[in-house]
Amino acid sequence: DAGVTQSPTHLIKTRGQQVTLRCSPKSGHDTVSWYQQALGQGPQFIFQYYEEEERQRGNFPDRFSGHQFPNYSSELNVNALLLGDSALYLCASSLWAVKYSNQPQHFGDGTRLSIL
Amino acid sequence: GENVEQHPSTLSVQEGDSAVIKCTYSDSASNYFPWYKQELGKRPQLIIDIRSNVGEKKDQRIAVTLNKTAKHFSLHITETQPEDSAVYFCAAKTGTASKLTFGTGTRLQVTL
Repeated sequence: DAGVTQSPTHLIKTRGQQVTLRCSPKSGHDTVSWYQQALGQGPQFIFQYYEEEERQRGNFPDRFSGHQFPNYSSELNVNALLLGDSALYLCASSLWAVKYSNQPQHFGDGTRLSIL
Repeated sequence: GENVEQHPSTLSVQEGDSAVIKCTYSDSASNYFPWYKQELGKRPQLIIDIRSNVGEKKDQRIAVTLNKTAKHFSLHITETQPEDSAVYFCAAKTGTASKLTFGTGTRLQVTL
């Protein structure tokens, strides 16, 4: 049973560049959430995708955008990178249906993004 | 929006002692409270969770208690072992298929 997989594991970019991070959810899951975890802090919610639509969004600027594909995998795009975007980006998958609403979110290993 | 506070930020205990981490939340509609353990450079891993219709849940050396009236929940680890050393995060969720709001984390160190 494949868990949540993310790629790449590490990425180094410079200010102003754009980046795309990828996530494949756990087998059987249909909902993907993205979180940003700065060093020494808890994960902060960026947004959540279900049925290829953004369903909920946290307090992140429009530079952060995403996409979900028909196979439930997802991408996180960040434009005009800032030094403050350096963080671990975590993807979590879950099931959307109400009857599964309080089931755990499963996290991937994350992508560590460094901005120079 | 939901706000989750977590204390203490660091906790050092001797092997065999108990550890307690406390969290408070602000949204009375929150109904799901997971705890995650994150080792250095690794993914957050769920260690225990509790739903709002339950006051306490136990899994071997780990237990979680929930007080809905006071809006706080706690993680209890008994007979701590060196492999329990990690950062622990509490979180809260409101509604269906929605976001987790995390606490700021507790770095637990278990010394020999």
